[in-house]
Amino acid sequence: EIVLTQSPATLSLSPGERATLSCRASQSVSSYLAWYQQKPGQAPRLLIYDASNRATGIPARFSGSGSGTDFTLTISSLEPEDFAVYYCQQRSNWPSMYTFGQGTKLEIK
Amino acid sequence: QVQLQESGPGLVKPSQTLSLTCTVSGGSISSGGYYWSWIRQHPGKGLEWIGYIYYSGSTYYNPSLKSRVTISVDTSKNQFSLKLSSVTAADTAVYYCARAEGSSSRIDYWGQGTLVTVSS
Repeated sequence: EIVLTQSPATLSLSPGERATLSCRASQSVSSYLAWYQQKPGQAPRLLIYDASNRATGIPARFSGSGSGTDFTLTISSLEPEDFAVYYCQQRSNWPSMYTFGQGTKLEIK
Repeated sequence: QVQLQESGPGLVKPSQTLSLTCTVSGGSISSGGYYWSWIRQHPGKGLEWIGYIYYSGSTYYNPSLKSRVTISVDTSKNQFSLKLSSVTAADTAVYYCARAEGSSSRIDYWGQGTLVTVSS
């Protein structure tokens, strides 16, 4: 089973700053890596899929990069509504399954 | 716009079977190309993939839950369902149904989630 490790666990920043979140896989996932944002009491919201593709309606300040085992989600200039928990997720074919990272909490400094 | 809605009991007794149904609107399960999935989130914790079903009935389950999980589909009702047997307090969680695209990594549509508590 592929394990995803996210860092840092908590990131404290101010609005307007740049946020860089990391996700490392225990083995290569190619580009089958997605990022989600979750706010309290809500379902996760897809931000990025296949490592670098923005989902429909996602602002351009969100970007994803990486391949293989190391991935990054960047938020170029934080808006107040961006403070939330972020999860990475991979999909593997053999065995066919999905796993999630443990999450990074982005909090207001 | 695809929408998913979970339904089922919010309270289940230990050792019993948890049963949830997901109703899909705005799109057909039978259209193919998607994996209809169940994902759960323990209170205050991260996300755990439970398994998925394809419209044909093919299923894949998380190995850690495989012995207790059954996912089924009813294409005539545009619904798919989850059964989790022999539940304990450790199965208390918010359960989400979701649509995963078969050709990519994305899980693009999620239900709102339903809290299931296991308690006597």
